[in-house]
Amino acid sequence: DAKTTQPNSMESNEEEPVHLPCNHSTISGTDYIHWYRQLPSQGPEYVIHGLTSNVNNRMASLAIAEDRKSSTLILHRATLRDAAVYYCILRRQGAQKLVFGQGTRLTINP
Amino acid sequence: EAGVTQFPSHSVIEKGQTVTLRCDPISGHDNLYWYRRVMGKEIKFLLHFVKESKQDESGMPNNRFLAERTGGTYSTLKVQPAELEDSGVYFCASSQVLAGGREQYFGPGTRLTVT
Repeated sequence: DAKTTQPNSMESNEEEPVHLPCNHSTISGTDYIHWYRQLPSQGPEYVIHGLTSNVNNRMASLAIAEDRKSSTLILHRATLRDAAVYYCILRRQGAQKLVFGQGTRLTINP
Repeated sequence: EAGVTQFPSHSVIEKGQTVTLRCDPISGHDNLYWYRRVMGKEIKFLLHFVKESKQDESGMPNNRFLAERTGGTYSTLKVQPAELEDSGVYFCASSQVLAGGREQYFGPGTRLTVT
């Protein structure tokens, strides 16, 4: 499985945008980029995924570099509820299991 | 729509005892997965069912762990006999059978403590 690298922790303020980076220099052409997050005392929760183009949904945006070796999860206006561990995961097309790394622990200050 | 449910939420057992964890996936989801996070480690995949069939057991740590999915509905994960290193949080997830990378829905987890 291709590896991802994320900062261990990040901090931001409420109502400000947050950019969570992820490096995946060994990504292959059939790897999808998935983001999950885990709120305290809960199971992981799907956030967004993409292949080549930038993606938007109600939770976040995913910006994918042109060479696909990095991506950025964007929370446009952070709330206290967004405090969680965010995982960037590569998932090969057709593969089923998710391979979690350490993730980025995001702290949101009021 | 009800989400993935897991029972119990917390279990404390002694080393050598047996514990059975249960997972009820979202109705209509043919894919069911088990993951776990042991102390200080990352969340690790254990196995994957499609309906009642085991598709991938590559993450099962040893033969003390037995997973079943009777009738392709709920699933159980039995640990027998439990060891101290089995302590951790066990997550179940489910998803629909669709092509491409689609989301998995996770339950809240069962926290297992082996003393």
